[in-house]
Amino acid sequence: SAVISQKPSRDICQRGTSLTIQCQVDSQVTMMFWYRQQPGQSLTLIATANQGSEATYESGFVIDKFPISRPNLTFSTLTVSNMSPEDSSIYLCSGKQGRYGYTFGSGTRLTVV
Amino acid sequence: RKEVEQDPGPFNVPEGATVAFNCTYSNSASQSFFWYRQDCRKEPKLLMSVYSSGNEDGRFTAQLNRASQYISLLIRDSKLSDSATYLCVEMMDSSYKLIFGSGTRLLVRP
Repeated sequence: SAVISQKPSRDICQRGTSLTIQCQVDSQVTMMFWYRQQPGQSLTLIATANQGSEATYESGFVIDKFPISRPNLTFSTLTVSNMSPEDSSIYLCSGKQGRYGYTFGSGTRLTVV
Repeated sequence: RKEVEQDPGPFNVPEGATVAFNCTYSNSASQSFFWYRQDCRKEPKLLMSVYSSGNEDGRFTAQLNRASQYISLLIRDSKLSDSATYLCVEMMDSSYKLIFGSGTRLLVRP
């Protein structure tokens, strides 16, 4: 299965700034997704990253706040813009290979102060 | 109503015990389900897929009951290393998005 390198693994950021999270996959994946996991909770899907076009966002998430890029089949970025303490969370990317082959990055633990 | 619902636990069991988790889903048309395991401060990892005919992998058995719209995971002969959060996951067949339940926490004590 694919291996995803996600970075940074953690960061502490000032409110009002932006952070870009990167995911690099060691092989091509058909689909990539971005999730948020708040403390003590499960994963919530933010968006599906589409290669070469705008991401598809879930209800409650918008492009201005979470711009996503996916220039090719092995790389994607998520930016958390104009951060506030409520954005403190773990952000994870996921790649899909084949019908059931989902792999996750190790996550980015974000703290906004 | 949440799409995928789980008892959050925690389930606190002694080593060697058998423990079962259930999960219910709301979309009767969904076809594909999984159990993922998530250790503290780690990413989720696939434990097993769930089929109507049942799926067994060593000490783990997963079952799908379409009539009642629930999924189960049975762990036999629990080990200390089984302590983790178990996530029930539904795959949306049209979009391939994964919908996660809230997770069931298992603690296996010596």
